[in-house]
Amino acid sequence: ETGVTQTPRHLVMGMTNKKSLKCEQHLGHNAMYWYKQSAKKPLELMFVYSLEERVENNSVPSRFSPECPNSSHLFLHLHTLQPEDSALYLCASSQVRDGLYEQYFGPGTRLTVT
Amino acid sequence: ILNVEQSPQSLHVQEGDSTNFTCSFPSSNFYALHWYRWETAKSPEALFVMTLNGDEKKKGRISATLNTKEGYSYLYIKGSQPEDSATYLCAFDYGQNFVFGPGTRLSVLP
Repeated sequence: ETGVTQTPRHLVMGMTNKKSLKCEQHLGHNAMYWYKQSAKKPLELMFVYSLEERVENNSVPSRFSPECPNSSHLFLHLHTLQPEDSALYLCASSQVRDGLYEQYFGPGTRLTVT
Repeated sequence: ILNVEQSPQSLHVQEGDSTNFTCSFPSSNFYALHWYRWETAKSPEALFVMTLNGDEKKKGRISATLNTKEGYSYLYIKGSQPEDSATYLCAFDYGQNFVFGPGTRLSVLP
């Protein structure tokens, strides 16, 4: 257990559905991240929240909408997704230590868009 | 877009063999380099954080070096064990913006 939990672990949704992924960290960290891993591609950073404010967007399509209501919770709201959005979505949190960021990852949500 | 390369893409070794793999990068304009181990069905686990002063890090049978001048980092595993089987990722830290390599998948055969 890394102290970062994600729900659900698996999700199948149609292209017209709306769903949300949830991430919770129990480590007292002040930054949280969403990553996407598609088949045979490196982990791609989607969003960063530091002190509950979005820092990086990385040109993610608007059908992905993040929300960070407090430093312990992070959501990824999904709507009108495409089949190519099927991937593993990982959440991470971090805290600065000696000027460096150490990330702790959750187990991920495996998303399939049909 | 930065291109982080890792080689080899995959590797099969016998139990007891020592092995190493490489993470290469085009420039040293980053804060730190991170190594992660990612076992199947688990979360990526942080192994090392390498700073630009080029120090070597060690944890048990695993060690890592960083050569910013030549643009690469090595991860070494001494006396590989089946439990070392995982994908090993390197990532560059640009101050909360992390760029990951594609990983090296290691399989240790008993």
